[in-house]
Amino acid sequence: EVQLVESGGGLVQPGGSLRLACAASASIFNGYRMSWVRQAPGKGLEWVADINFDGSEKKYVESVKGRFTVSRDNAKKSLLLQMDSLRAEDTAIYYCARGSQSAFDTWGQGTMVTVSS
Amino acid sequence: QSALTQPPSASGSPGQSVAISCTGTSSDVGGYNTVSWYQQYPGEAPKLIIYEVSKRPSGVPNRFSGSKSDNTASLTVSGLQAEDEADYYCSSYAGSNNYVFGSGTQVTVL
Repeated sequence: EVQLVESGGGLVQPGGSLRLACAASASIFNGYRMSWVRQAPGKGLEWVADINFDGSEKKYVESVKGRFTVSRDNAKKSLLLQMDSLRAEDTAIYYCARGSQSAFDTWGQGTMVTVSS
Repeated sequence: QSALTQPPSASGSPGQSVAISCTGTSSDVGGYNTVSWYQQYPGEAPKLIIYEVSKRPSGVPNRFSGSKSDNTASLTVSGLQAEDEADYYCSSYAGSNNYVFGSGTQVTVL
């Protein structure tokens, strides 16, 4: 069974940085596009970033461009999200999800990021 | 990229049907046959229940069905059961490896 496990969340001050990681349990991580999706407390889902199978293509939602960087290590079956210049509005549960144009078919359990002084 | 528009809530009695709409634009819902739907229980991760407008992943009951007309997609839950009480989100590919989600609909089983 494919599993995704996020880590790295926590409390950070505005302007600070965090690095999230998502570990995949199966070899089928390789060859798939991966995304980060977030959900602010009591709010809906928001797609944040996407990376293709070899990391050569990356896309971001406008609100995080220039602040967040998505990357992957296929050898370690790991997806990463470097978050810099964090703002209060970045407070959310961050999910990694395996996906394609068709759908996000596998989700992790999420990791909470709180940006507050 | 604006969120797709969903009604905030929907409800029905056990055994009835409930339909949830998801309205976008020609740049997302209307432009691609890649609408998907997700079910989310409180405190849990979303779960894929419909992909490519109307296809169901293995294990998803056939009570869940999807359709699309122009810029509006719909999810119908037939034979409503207590376990269907959850939040439902639509999503669409929006071109150039961008994606957009709907605002979410809370389904209540009366």
